[in-house]
Amino acid sequence: NAGVTQTPKFQVLKTGQSMTLQCAQDMNHEYMSWYRQDPGMGLRLIHYSVGAGITDQGEVPNGYNVSRSTTEDFPLRLLSAAPSQTSVYFCACRQGEITEAFFGQGTRLTVV
Amino acid sequence: AQSVTQLGSHVSVSEGALVLLRCNYSSSVPPYLFWYVQYPNQGLQLLLKYTSAATLVKGINGFEAEFKKSETSFHLTKPSAHMSDAAEYFCAVSGGSNYKLTFGKGTLLTVNP
Repeated sequence: NAGVTQTPKFQVLKTGQSMTLQCAQDMNHEYMSWYRQDPGMGLRLIHYSVGAGITDQGEVPNGYNVSRSTTEDFPLRLLSAAPSQTSVYFCACRQGEITEAFFGQGTRLTVV
Repeated sequence: AQSVTQLGSHVSVSEGALVLLRCNYSSSVPPYLFWYVQYPNQGLQLLLKYTSAATLVKGINGFEAEFKKSETSFHLTKPSAHMSDAAEYFCAVSGGSNYKLTFGKGTLLTVNP
C-alpha cells in the first residue's frame, strides 16, 4: 500500500518546455488535488478533482492543466514552463470532507 | 470562502519549553480543522484533526489543539518541546461539502538546546 506516489522527485526544465508531473494513489479516494508550495506562501491549490472525469480550478491554475481519466491517476501538465513555476508540487488525495488529506512526497521543480 | 491565519511565521523555543502555535480561521460553515507537520524535504503528515466531536483534540507526538468557536481559533500546543519537533507546521480548514482544504502560510518551529 504505497499511498500517494509522485514522479519525478526532482526536475529541471528550460523556459518554454512542457512536462507532466505524475500522481497516483492506491487508496481509492475520490478527491484529488495539486498544490504548490513556495517559501512564506504555504500550500496553494492549483487544480482539484472530485472524481474521474471531473476537474476544477483552484487558487492558482494559470499555466497548468489536469485530467482525471481514472480514480487512481491525476497528472499535472505544465504547458510552457516559466521561472515563476519553480516550486515544490504536492499531490494529495482525500476520502471525504471530514477526513484528512494524504500527501505525496513532492516534486521539486526548477525552471531556468 | 474559507481562510486560515497562522500568527508568527517563525517560533523559537528552548528544549523542554511549552510549544504554542497559533491558528485562526474564517469559515461561513461549520469548519473541519487540521494541523499538519512537514519535516525538511518531506511531504505533509497529519498531526491531528477536529471534526466537530470533542473540542480538545489529541494528536501524535504529544501535540494537542483546542477548538474555540467564539475565538475562531485552533491553536496547537505541546507541554515540552523536543529537538525532534523542529519542523514547519501548517493549519488547514475545510467544510461546506466542497472537499477543498485551505492552508495557512505555515509556522517554522525551531527548538534550541
